[in-house]
Parts: sequence; C-alpha cells; structure tokens
Amino acid sequence: NAGVTQTPKFQVLKTGQSMTLQCAQDMNHNSMYWYRQDPGMGLRLIYYSASEGTTDKGEVPNGYNVSRLNKREFSLRLESAAPSQTSVYFCASSDIRGLDGYTFGSGTRLTVV
Amino acid sequence: QQQVKQSPQSLIVQKGGISIINCAYENTAFDYFPWYQQFPGKGPALLIAIRPDVSEKKEGRFTISFNKSAKQFSLHIMDSQPGDSATYFCAATSGYSTLTFGKGTMLLVSP
Repeated sequence: NAGVTQTPKFQVLKTGQSMTLQCAQDMNHNSMYWYRQDPGMGLRLIYYSASEGTTDKGEVPNGYNVSRLNKREFSLRLESAAPSQTSVYFCASSDIRGLDGYTFGSGTRLTVV
Repeated sequence: QQQVKQSPQSLIVQKGGISIINCAYENTAFDYFPWYQQFPGKGPALLIAIRPDVSEKKEGRFTISFNKSAKQFSLHIMDSQPGDSATYFCAATSGYSTLTFGKGTMLLVSP
C-alpha cells in the first residue's frame, strides 16, 4: 500500500539511551515532516525537510536531530532520551506546498523511563 | 508566533445531531485551511480543506464555513454518526510554510 511507513511502532527507552525513528514514503513527495503528539498539545512540528538535501527546525527541535537520507527516507534521532520526550511521534510527507494534504504514518509510541 | 486556536477541546453529540468545531487564527497571510481527522491508533488524515476565496465548502456531511473578516473557520458535521467519533484538527498555512495545527477536538457521537 502506498503511504508513509514508520518503524518501530512501539519503543521503551531508559533515560539517556539513544534511538532512531525511521520513516519512508513511496509517494514521490518532496517534503517530509516529524511531529510529536501529546495530550492537550495537538501536533507540534519537530523538524521538516522541504526537499531532499534540506532540513529545518520546527516548533520543538531541542533534543532531536534529523537526517534526510534520500527522497524517500527521513529519520529522527534522539541522542539522549529524556522522560519529557515520551510521546507519540508521527512522520508525514507532502508535495512541495502540501495542498493535496499531508500523508501521515501510523505513529511510533515512545516511552522514556 | 503563528497560532490557530481550536475549540471546544472535547464534544459529545447524539447520533443524528450536528457537530460544530471552531478555529480562529491571527495571521492574515494564511491562505489554506484544512481539517484533519484522526482515529485512535492512527495518523491524522486530510478530511476537507478551504481557500479564503470562498465562504463555504461542502463534502458529503462535512462542511467548512469560513469568515475571513473574523479570521475564523469552522467544521460542521451534519447527521453525526458513531463512526465520526475521532479527534479533529484544524490547520492553516501560507505560501510554502508548514501547517500550523490547532490543539484538536475529541468528538464522541453517542448512539
């Protein structure tokens, strides 16, 4: 099925551990995004990549790094996980303006203990 | 900072009733206003969107009403069904900027 694939779906980390969330899209979209969703906070943009080779900070970038590996793949790395990073993480992709909508993956539920 | 304020935070509607969710924005440069629907355990999905050159857009039971002078837009779900129970997000953007999302409304349609 065409769409956005995120791995893993669930992860538990200990404080200070690192991990990388993987995202791949097969819709030939130029732009990709990482959001986190927390109760009562909505969707907050962490980082985005408007096109292959570029990345930019969003609203809440602290504690995260990203890599746009190629047009299909956009990864999110937590170098030293903190309990405040417990959240559901969504990757999304879109055409350059997003007017056909963002296509979201099914999310990664991350718990940092 | 660009903001989109969404209300109510949660909403309970009886089956067959009308669900109304409201959003207000500050940035007059916003020129695209989508609504996203999210079911539990899933990512959000585009539901319906409007540009500011029209005051209303309807797709089936879903209607967006847009008031440019008041900088407000709303989602109306007619004949609400239990299958409409989900979280709804309004959003806005301008130019090549990323979407700014509201905080979401949890809708429960009781049978």
